[in-house]
Amino acid sequence: IAGITQAPTSQILAAGRRMTLRCTQDMRHNAMYWYRQDLGLGLRLIHYSNTAGTTGKGEVPDGYSVSRANTDDFPLTLASAVPSQTSVYFCASSAAGGGSYNEQFFGPGTRLTVL
Amino acid sequence: GQNIDQPTEMTATEGAIVQINCTYQTSGFNGLFWYQQHAGEAPTFLSYNVLDGLEEKGRFSSFLSRSKGYSYLLLKELQMKDSASYLCAVIGDDYKLSFGAGTTVTVRA
Repeated sequence: IAGITQAPTSQILAAGRRMTLRCTQDMRHNAMYWYRQDLGLGLRLIHYSNTAGTTGKGEVPDGYSVSRANTDDFPLTLASAVPSQTSVYFCASSAAGGGSYNEQFFGPGTRLTVL
Repeated sequence: GQNIDQPTEMTATEGAIVQINCTYQTSGFNGLFWYQQHAGEAPTFLSYNVLDGLEEKGRFSSFLSRSKGYSYLLLKELQMKDSASYLCAVIGDDYKLSFGAGTTVTVRA
């Protein structure tokens, strides 16, 4: 059982290019999340999905889009990358999107550098 | 908005005890998590508190006071492998996790 996988592990990207970060989970979790982690700022929520077919905006959604066509996959797309999007991106999932107990399981992360 | 504060860094000696404090001001409260994150790795779950009091799990304990907007993570019998960042995260009334910036703990021999 893999849990959550992310691809690529790392990427260097020219500014203005389009990039999709992939995330797949095999735990049949309903909810999935994308975070970015920057030094001194902690993890910040970009987008989330409480169930397949629905998505919502987090704290820092600008410049990013997501889709949730099925339970397992939750890709994050940067339509036109900018240097400020240089970060480590973590995908996470949880059994449910609502409720008080919402333990999230994190993927290994994608380190993205935009030049 | 959510405001979650924790110290940036702490250093302790192997075998000692370290307490990491977290204070929060959030829109609603539906629980508090502590995660551990080793350098270059993903965060992993440590503890969850939703009611006031102490939750103990082996060498790690977590305390919550909702009236004070305060939690701490207690690490006992420190080991070198405990060197990591510790993230405090609160579930607000939107049922989303808001994270503090993390506390980097360095354990010295």
